[in-house]
Amino acid sequence: QKEVEQNSGPLSVPEGAIASLNCTYSDRGSQSFFWYRQYSGKSPELIMSIYSNGDKEDGRFTAQLNKASQYVSLLIRDSQPSDSATYLCAGQGGSEKLVFGKGTKLTVNP
Amino acid sequence: DTGVSQDPRHKITKRGQNVTFRCDPISEHNRLYWYRQTLGQGPEFLTYFQNEAQLEKSRLLSDRFSAERPKGSFSTLEIQRTEQGDSAMYLCASSPGQYQPQHFGDGTRLSIL
Repeated sequence: QKEVEQNSGPLSVPEGAIASLNCTYSDRGSQSFFWYRQYSGKSPELIMSIYSNGDKEDGRFTAQLNKASQYVSLLIRDSQPSDSATYLCAGQGGSEKLVFGKGTKLTVNP
Repeated sequence: DTGVSQDPRHKITKRGQNVTFRCDPISEHNRLYWYRQTLGQGPEFLTYFQNEAQLEKSRLLSDRFSAERPKGSFSTLEIQRTEQGDSAMYLCASSPGQYQPQHFGDGTRLSIL
């Protein structure tokens, strides 16, 4: 069973702080990883994609991938109340299907 | 650029009825995916198409579920003889190519009475 594990949280950070979200995966064949943000009652919205080891930055977001440790993370700098949502980590291996974790609920307190 | 469109947004039906959902992908995206999401869980893969060919189906997709993409554009997902356990958000996503990011529509929320 190919799995993606996330700490379900909730994770609470003050406004302006760095939020750190983590994800591990079991399938060593996974090559592509994605972070989605999902507001309550809404559909997932793509934030970041990462395909190779290292860091990838996009604005306030940084994704990190370590294939040896089977670990993916998302850092959100200068967190804003509008970042409050559930963050979903997804992996993609030999199949094109995405395997999602259960998500981590983030609350940013003003 | 129009996003992925799903219809209807909400569907309430009685147990045992058949339902059909439609998904229109982003224009020129040749990959189309169906997922199902229940409360507190991440989306679970159901099936996907490359153009009109259905390339993979999950074991979750019982024989009551069928999906089509007849002309390689829009897709339909039909559930026959609905059961209480079918209550979920049904999400459609599309991507422009293999291993490219998938973009989701707003979903169809199905409630079985």
